[in-house]
Amino acid sequence: ETGVTQSPTHLIKTRGQQVTLRCSSQSGHNTVSWYQQALGQGPQFIFQYYREEENGRGNFPPRFSGLQFPNYSSELNVNALELDDSALYLCASRKESTDTQYFGPGTRLTVL
Amino acid sequence: GQQVMQIPQYQHVQEGEDFTTYCNSSTTLSNIQWYKQRPGGHPVFLIQLVKSGEVKKQKRLTFQFGEAKKNSSLHITATQTTDVGTYFCAVQEWAGNQFYFGTGTSLTVIP
Repeated sequence: ETGVTQSPTHLIKTRGQQVTLRCSSQSGHNTVSWYQQALGQGPQFIFQYYREEENGRGNFPPRFSGLQFPNYSSELNVNALELDDSALYLCASRKESTDTQYFGPGTRLTVL
Repeated sequence: GQQVMQIPQYQHVQEGEDFTTYCNSSTTLSNIQWYKQRPGGHPVFLIQLVKSGEVKKQKRLTFQFGEAKKNSSLHITATQTTDVGTYFCAVQEWAGNQFYFGTGTSLTVIP
C-alpha cells in the first residue's frame, strides 16, 4: 500500500449540495495533488498544494477549493455540486525533492 | 493546456502475446511517468523517465522515452492475466509542475 488514505470511500450527494473530501498523505510528503477521474477517463489535475499553499491549478472552476494543513493532510471542497461532478476523486502525495506520486484509494462521489 | 494522447484506447490480446502502448505529447517534456490502474483501483506508479532516448526495463515491461522527449512507449512481453488494467502516462512540462495524464490504454488479456 502507498500509505495515502482518503475518506470517505463512497459518497452520495444531491445537486447543489457541498462536499468535503479528505486525504492523509504519506509521512514526509509535503506536496499533495488532487485529481478528478470520470468513468473511463484519465485523472484530470484539479490543483496542487505545497506547504499549505496552492501552487498549481487545472481547468476547474472556483467552486473547487482546497486546503492543506500543517501535518500535510488536505481537503478538497466542492460547492454547488453538479451532476457532472460525479467521479472518482484521487489525491496523490509526494516529497518536494521527487516526482514520484503515491495515490490514495480515492473517494467515489455520486451526485444525484 | 497540455495535450497527451495515448494509443490504442483499447487492446485485447491472447495471453502470451506482446502489448505496446504509445504516449504522445504536443510539447517537449521534462519527464514522463507510467502508471497502472486495475479495474476498481487507483493508479499505481510504475516508472519515471527523464533522459532523452532513455530505456528502462522492469521484468517483462520495457519503457522508452523518445529522443525529442515528446513521446514514450510501454511494451509488455508475453502478457499474463495479471497485466490486465489501464496503463496511463503522465507528463510534466518542467520539474515540480503539475502532471497531465494521458487518455489511457485499457488492456484485456484473454486466457
